Amino acid sequence: AQRVTQPEKLLSVFKGAPVELKCNYSYSGSPELFWYVQYSRQRLQLLLRHISRESIKGFTADLNKGETSFHLKKPFAQEEDSAMYYCALAGANNLFFGTGTRLTVIP
Amino acid sequence: NAGVMQNPRHLVRRRGQEARLRCSPMKGHSHVYWYRQLPEEGLKFMVYLQKENIIDESGMPKERFSAEFPKEGPSILRIQQVVRGDSAAYFCASSAKDRGAIGYTFGSGTRLTVV
Repeated sequence: AQRVTQPEKLLSVFKGAPVELKCNYSYSGSPELFWYVQYSRQRLQLLLRHISRESIKGFTADLNKGETSFHLKKPFAQEEDSAMYYCALAGANNLFFGTGTRLTVIP
Repeated sequence: NAGVMQNPRHLVRRRGQEARLRCSPMKGHSHVYWYRQLPEEGLKFMVYLQKENIIDESGMPKERFSAEFPKEGPSILRIQQVVRGDSAAYFCASSAKDRGAIGYTFGSGTRLTVV
């Protein structure tokens, strides 16, 4: 069965420190994974998807099939990165979301 | 392009009343998806619709919940005889034909509170 796990509900880091938001998935086929971000009082926005291998706002994520992980990383956190982050796995007609991690960047 | 519009942003209903949530997809998008986010949980898929057709309703509760996407007008998620457990944020997403989850654009959501 498809499942996405984000083990950390809350994560706090200092400005300038590296940040890693964890995401593990369970999927029998070839996975298609996404990271979405929700800033305060705004809508959910696509941050990046693994097939495009892009870097958005300094964030990157690498699909590790051996560990079934898709962790989101940024080398130097900024205050404006404070938000809710959701990892998602594409199904046939929909997305399976993790429970989200609230990132707080401390000035 | 105004994006995906959901209204109302906040909705308060008493137990037993009906709740109607509306979603207008982005211009040019013909596919609509509804998700529910219960407190402390991730977004859960409810239903996928195209104009005048329900394509996948595997995530919809069997009773009291229905959805439609008419030829004209917004998609409607209807909850009859609401109960406290229906309190949640309901999000709508739309995509263009054949884009599916890759081309999702989300609305800002409707927060339903049942008192």
